[in-house]
Amino acid sequence: GAVVSQHPSRVICKSGTSVKIECRSLDFQATTMFWYRQFPKQSLMLMATSNEGSKATYEQGVEKDKFLINHASLTLSTLTVTSAHPEDSSFYICSAATVQETQYFGPGTRLLVL
Amino acid sequence: QKEVEQNSGPLSVPEGAIASLNCTYSDRGSQSFFWYRQYSGKSPELIMFIYSNGDKEDGRFTAQLNKASQYVSLLIRDSQPSDSATYLCASLNTGTASKLTFGTGTRLQVTL
Repeated sequence: GAVVSQHPSRVICKSGTSVKIECRSLDFQATTMFWYRQFPKQSLMLMATSNEGSKATYEQGVEKDKFLINHASLTLSTLTVTSAHPEDSSFYICSAATVQETQYFGPGTRLLVL
Repeated sequence: QKEVEQNSGPLSVPEGAIASLNCTYSDRGSQSFFWYRQYSGKSPELIMFIYSNGDKEDGRFTAQLNKASQYVSLLIRDSQPSDSATYLCASLNTGTASKLTFGTGTRLQVTL
């Protein structure tokens, strides 16, 4: 149990375009989902906390207008990177929290902006 | 600033030995603690969680928690080369909207 999926696993896009990443909890309902970013050889960095039916809470320094988060249901959260630039290239990972607040991570999405 | 600290390593142990990974935390309000394993280029995978003082065993893994000393550890018995990865320690204070505070991770290398 406690499986989290992400789609796509890898995406390459041109600078200036927008990219949407989906995160789904497959076998449990997640009131809270989280979005992280990880650059090579660096630690996980929390970008935002996503709660079903309400606005996401962004960490300091994360632009909410650039990283749009929608948590439309108890099993789906989406992250849209708007007007992507090469510096947005990174490994984006979501996690979903169970009722017991245990976080399970998705497999991640590798974004490359050319 | 609430912190979780880990030695970055690498911690090198021979195959079959016990690997001991340690973690300290500063937030006394932390109630649950998690160990994640992250292979290079992959996302973190939950190994164990613990919230009571003492030991918790699951297969080759044992998590240990000492709240008085603010110390968490993970023991891996009979270490295998496939255990080579970065191990992330994380704490949860339920007053923080389920947000985990992560350590920077310890890189474990199991040598043949």
